[in-house]
Amino acid sequence: GNSVTQMEGPVTLSEEAFLTINCTYTATGYPSLFWYVQYPGEGLQLLLKATKADDKGSNKGFEATYRKETTSFHLEKGSVQVSDSAVYFCALSDNSSNTGKLIFGQGTTLQVKP
Amino acid sequence: DVKVTQSSRYLVKRTGEKVFLECVQDMDHENMFWYRQDPGLGLRLIYFSYDVKMKEKGDIPEGYSVSREKKERFSLILESASTNQTSMYLCASSTEQRGNTEAFFGQGTRLTVV
Repeated sequence: GNSVTQMEGPVTLSEEAFLTINCTYTATGYPSLFWYVQYPGEGLQLLLKATKADDKGSNKGFEATYRKETTSFHLEKGSVQVSDSAVYFCALSDNSSNTGKLIFGQGTTLQVKP
Repeated sequence: DVKVTQSSRYLVKRTGEKVFLECVQDMDHENMFWYRQDPGLGLRLIYFSYDVKMKEKGDIPEGYSVSREKKERFSLILESASTNQTSMYLCASSTEQRGNTEAFFGQGTRLTVV
C-alpha cells in the first residue's frame, strides 16, 4: 500500500543554518505530495505541495521538488529562523479516488536555536 | 477565514465512558476526516466521510465510530474509552478535487483517558 517515510528527528539547528528534511514515498499511480507544518499548540497547516513529477512547491522560503525517479520530496530551506521551530509532516494523496485521503509520515520535529 | 472547529481542546474521561468529539467546518467541504496523532507514529486515519451519512474506515477504526448527519459536522465516538485511546485527535476537511486536495485542520483535541 501507499506509505510515507520521513527522517527521524528531532533536528536541532542554529539560526541561519541550512535545513533538509528527507521524505520518501511508496505509491501506486501518481500521487500529489504535500508538506504540512504544525506549530506548537496548533493544528496542521499546508506549507507547500506538488501535484506532478518535477514540480517544485515553495512557500515562506521552503522548497521541495517532486522526484519520481527517486520517489522523494525532500524539504529544504536556505536559512532557518527560530520561528520555524515546529513539527513537519510529509504526506501524499491517493489520486485514484475523490476522497482526498492523505497518508502522512511520522513527522520531524525541528528546533532552531538563536 | 476558513475554519475547522473542534469542540474541545482538552478532555479528561474515565475508562469505559462513551466519549463524543465534535468537529464543524464552514467551507462546505464534501470530505471530512478524523486522525489521531501519536509521537513517532505521525497521523493515522481513523475514519473519513465523503458525503452526508457516508463513512469509510481508515487504518485504525477499532474502538471508534463516526456520525455525519449534516455536511458541516463530523463526530467521532469512542464507544467505551480505554487508556490506549489517550491521544491527540485531529479533524480535517477537504474539497472533492482529485489530485489537488488541500486539507484544513482543526486545532486538535487532546484526550486523556484515566
